[in-house]
Amino acid sequence: AQSVSQHNHHVILSEAASLELGCNYSYGGTVNLFWYVQYPGQHLQLLLKYFSGDPLVKGIKGFEAEFIKSKFSFNLRKPSVQWSDTAEYFCAVKGNNRLAFGKGNQVVVIP
Amino acid sequence: DVKVTQSSRYLVKRTGEKVFLECVQDMDHENMFWYRQDPGLGLRLIYFSYDVKMKEKGDIPEGYSVSREKKERFSLILESASTNQTSMYLCASSSDRRNQPQHFGDGTRLSIL
Repeated sequence: AQSVSQHNHHVILSEAASLELGCNYSYGGTVNLFWYVQYPGQHLQLLLKYFSGDPLVKGIKGFEAEFIKSKFSFNLRKPSVQWSDTAEYFCAVKGNNRLAFGKGNQVVVIP
Repeated sequence: DVKVTQSSRYLVKRTGEKVFLECVQDMDHENMFWYRQDPGLGLRLIYFSYDVKMKEKGDIPEGYSVSREKKERFSLILESASTNQTSMYLCASSSDRRNQPQHFGDGTRLSIL
């Protein structure tokens, strides 16, 4: 079964700072990779996804993620965060028709 | 736009009660999922279903059962609720078509007293 590791569960940063959230996975087969975001009081929303092709994936709200197969990583980045990016971010890996989620990163952006 | 609707946003029940959580999706998706979300643990898969009357155990099925009598509806059942089942429960659905993500409902925050 696949598993996902996210580091630095709590991240606090100021507006305009750059954000990078790490995601490492373990799975022996072909994977699909996702980042989901959960804003306070809202449901989980898809931020971006990778299935194949260009390993640099661009998502909504200025986020991007890079799939590095040799490192089993799918790190999320945003060059300049805003207060509205305060949320919990989850990395997920799909294998065998099931999603495995990481434990999440709670990101707080201070105005 | 995909709509996944969970019947209750908040629910309070007592230990030992039988609890039903309902989920309905309007996109004719084949796959439906139940997760629980706990602080610091992320989302953990309880059960999923890839067709009517079909079900598969997820990572933490103990104490739960599910029912999928119709394609659009997937019910999670707590046979005899216990305090350690206090949690946020999330339902999701997805299409069988290649490369499709899961879509989530708003969640049900369940408290067992």
